[in-house]
Amino acid sequence: AQTVTQSQPEMSVQEAETVTLSCTYDTSESDYYLFWYKQPPSRQMILVIRQEAYKQQNATENRFSVNFQKAAKSFSLKISDSQLGDAAMYFCAYRSANDYKLSFGAGTTVTVRA
Amino acid sequence: GAGVSQTPSNKVTEKGKYVELRCDPISGHTALYWYRQSLGQGPEFLIYFQGTGAADDSGLPNDRFFAVRPEGSVSTLKIQRTERGDSAVYLCASSLKPGLADSNTGELFFGEGSRLTVL
Repeated sequence: AQTVTQSQPEMSVQEAETVTLSCTYDTSESDYYLFWYKQPPSRQMILVIRQEAYKQQNATENRFSVNFQKAAKSFSLKISDSQLGDAAMYFCAYRSANDYKLSFGAGTTVTVRA
Repeated sequence: GAGVSQTPSNKVTEKGKYVELRCDPISGHTALYWYRQSLGQGPEFLIYFQGTGAADDSGLPNDRFFAVRPEGSVSTLKIQRTERGDSAVYLCASSLKPGLADSNTGELFFGEGSRLTVL
């Protein structure tokens, strides 16, 4: 079974600053997908960014970017120019290319200070 | 509908009672998933439907939990003889195709969940 570890229960960032969330995972597979999801108080999980393991280039989506280190099994999320609307719970997730189930980490609560 | 709809948003029940949670996926999405999110944790997989059939129910914790999707659209998660440990947010997600396909078409769209509290 795959495990996803998020070692930071909470992170705080000043508005307009940058924050990095860490995620590590354990797998014996070579082909898989990694995701970061945002869960605001509304509880709806919203996909922030996706990374295919076979791609060496780090994914970016506007102010969100990842640092994917396949050998180290690390997948961190960087939020640049933090905005008040970024405040939420962030979950790292893994999916094997041969499966449809997502395995989630325990989440990191991000607080943005005005 | 425009998104995945789940009802009820909140449900409070007493230990031992029967509960039904409903999920209405995005129109045209053939794959439907149920996840359970306990307090302070990430979601955990419960069951996956491809069309009307449960393709994988390996995440259901025990035989008190059952889910159906009789017409390949709306799904109902049923919990018998509820226990306090069943308290959680139950999330439903749908996708155009199963996640085995291209990562874009396999993208999951989640509802806002049903928060179940068992007293």
